[in-house]
Amino acid sequence: EVQLVESGGGLVQPGRSLRLSCASSGFTFGDYAMSWFRQAPEKGLEWVGFIRSKDYGATTEYAASVKGRFTISRDESQSTAYLQMDSLKTDDTAVYYCARAVTHFYYYMDVWGKGTTVIVSS
Amino acid sequence: DIQMTQSPSSLSASVGDRVTITCRASQSISSYLNWYQTKSGQAPKLLIYAASSLQSGVPSRFRGSRSGTDFTLTITSLQPEDFATYYCQQSYSTPLTFGGGTKVAIK
Repeated sequence: EVQLVESGGGLVQPGRSLRLSCASSGFTFGDYAMSWFRQAPEKGLEWVGFIRSKDYGATTEYAASVKGRFTISRDESQSTAYLQMDSLKTDDTAVYYCARAVTHFYYYMDVWGKGTTVIVSS
Repeated sequence: DIQMTQSPSSLSASVGDRVTITCRASQSISSYLNWYQTKSGQAPKLLIYAASSLQSGVPSRFRGSRSGTDFTLTITSLQPEDFATYYCQQSYSTPLTFGGGTKVAIK
């Protein structure tokens, strides 16, 4: 079964760091770009960023709201993507989702995890 | 950034109803438009990609269409499991952006 499972969420103080993990199974992780999204309480979905596959240099792109604070990486040996979140703000409070990105001709996220909750509060 | 304007923000409908949700892009995005369904506590689900292609495993009552920069998601006969929130999303350029969502509730 194709699956993504996020972990690492929790309660953290403003200014601190947190690393989220996205463990994959059931598919060849290295063949896909991986994206991160978030949904703040009572708000809509927001793109956080993505990392391309190793064949495309594992390059990254980020939303303006997190650029310079968040870093996405991937470990092919663990079939896992990561979201390193530094200098966290209260506005970063959200459920964070990872998703597999299909990038052949069109671009869409066909497999999502159930999310992990991050609460930034003092 | 490309703005996605989705309407309505909410609607009430009955089982068996035909439901239409629209999304307008602020500029041309070709057919780089996807539709997702979300339910509380569950993983978001891809319904339609490339404006009108049905994702594998999604019931055929879900249909997507495009007219210029206007996109439509139609549920031809609403089922109990379809009560959820729906989002359009453009993948033409980064930052990837979503519409504001449409909550479909039971009438």
